[in-house]
Amino acid sequence: DIQMTQSPSSLSASVGDRVTITCRASQSISSYLNWYQQKPGKAPKLLIYAASSLQSGVPSRFSGSGSGTDFTLTISSLQPEDFATYYCQQSYSTRFTFGPGTKVDIK
Amino acid sequence: QVQLQESGPGLVKPSETLSLTCTVSGGSISSYYWSWIRQPAGKGLEWIGRIYTSGSTNYNPSLKSRVTMSVDTSKNQFSLKLSSVTAADTAVYYCARGVQIRPNGKNWFDPWGQGTLVTVSS
Repeated sequence: DIQMTQSPSSLSASVGDRVTITCRASQSISSYLNWYQQKPGKAPKLLIYAASSLQSGVPSRFSGSGSGTDFTLTISSLQPEDFATYYCQQSYSTRFTFGPGTKVDIK
Repeated sequence: QVQLQESGPGLVKPSETLSLTCTVSGGSISSYYWSWIRQPAGKGLEWIGRIYTSGSTNYNPSLKSRVTMSVDTSKNQFSLKLSSVTAADTAVYYCARGVQIRPNGKNWFDPWGQGTLVTVSS
C-alpha cells in the first residue's frame, strides 16, 4: 500500500495568512495526487487534481505543487470560508489512499 | 451538473449485510468509474472500491472479502453491499464519481454525494 502522511495535522491561522500544507507519499507517485477540502458535516470537495491543476470553480488562491513523494497545497490568502480540513489522495495505485487530513482553524 | 445521492438503511445489525444505493442525476452513469468511500466519525477517509459501467470492479484489499458492487445503467444507479458488518463499519458512506483522463490514467473523485450515516448496532 502507498501510505500518505500530512503535516501539520492541524494549524491555526488568521484571515489573510498564507497557509501551506504538506503531503508525503511512501513511494513515488509522480503527479498522481489530488487535494480535497471538507467542512464539518459536508462531503469532501475536489480542489486540485494531478498535483497542480485547479478544479473548475475553485478560487485561484488555492494552488498545488510537487511531484514524486512530496507535495504542497498553498492557500495564498486565507479567507473565512477556507477554515476546513484538507486531505490529499493518491491515485497512482488503484488502491486509492488518503492522507490523515490537516485541520485549518481560526487563530 | 451531475449530482449523487446515497440511500439505504441507517441502522444495520452486527453480522448482517449493509446495502446502499447511489443515484446519479444530471448526467449519464456511462463511461465513468463510480466509487464508495467511508469516514468513521471524527476520522479520515477510506476508499472501499469502485465499479466501471461495464461492471468491472476494484476493491480495497482490506475489505475485498466482504464487498460487492453492482451497477444498473438503466436506472443510473450503482450499489454497495458489505457483509458481516461489525461496529467498526459504522461510518458516513459517500458515493463519488471517478474521473479518469487518458492515456496517463490520472484520476480523482468529483463530485461526491452528501453522504449517509450507517450505524452498526443491535
